[in-house]
Amino acid sequence: NAGVTQTPKFQVLKTGQSMTLQCAQDMNHNSMYWYRQDPGMGLRLIYYSASEGTTDKGEVPNGYNVSRLNKREFSLRLESAAPSQTSVYFCASSLGWTASGNTIYFGEGSWLTVV
Amino acid sequence: TQLLEQSPQFLSIQEGENLTVYCNSSSVFSSLQWYRQEPGEGPVLLVTVVTGGEVKKLKRLTFQFGDARKDSSLHITAAQPGDTGLYLCAGATNDMRFGAGTRLTVKP
Repeated sequence: NAGVTQTPKFQVLKTGQSMTLQCAQDMNHNSMYWYRQDPGMGLRLIYYSASEGTTDKGEVPNGYNVSRLNKREFSLRLESAAPSQTSVYFCASSLGWTASGNTIYFGEGSWLTVV
Repeated sequence: TQLLEQSPQFLSIQEGENLTVYCNSSSVFSSLQWYRQEPGEGPVLLVTVVTGGEVKKLKRLTFQFGDARKDSSLHITAAQPGDTGLYLCAGATNDMRFGAGTRLTVKP
């Protein structure tokens, strides 16, 4: 039962470097999300894909880009990493749109440090 | 400013005690969810409440959605060390917004 799988689990980047966080779900879910979690701030939505072929900005999209590669995969790219992007990143998915009360299933998180 | 304010931010209690944590907002939500997150893992859904005034029970956990659908509470009876974790509420508007969480520690 893989659920939502994201890689890498840990990454250290230098300021200005780029990287892509990979995410895949095996639950045939339509909607996928990228959140970041910072102390005292809770989970904040970066980008989401309500369905295959669509992507939209969330609450904190600046400095990030996403690609919904197919129904299973949703990647998050940092083009030029900044220390403010040091965070724990969670990929998540749901069968339908979250605002309809659908359960969100989260991956285990990716710890990113930008020095 | 958080859309959802959770209180208290931290709570440390002894095994067997009761506790209540709160999730408040000035916004109306179509539904509200509670998640629990353990260290090194992603959040896991505990419950979804949809109707104003709704009460749901999950073993020793009781969840209530406010009449106006702006707030919610989570009550734990006879807390156990296994209840330790970060409790997050999330409200549905145009998308799902999360509170910062209540970090609960239950000491044996």
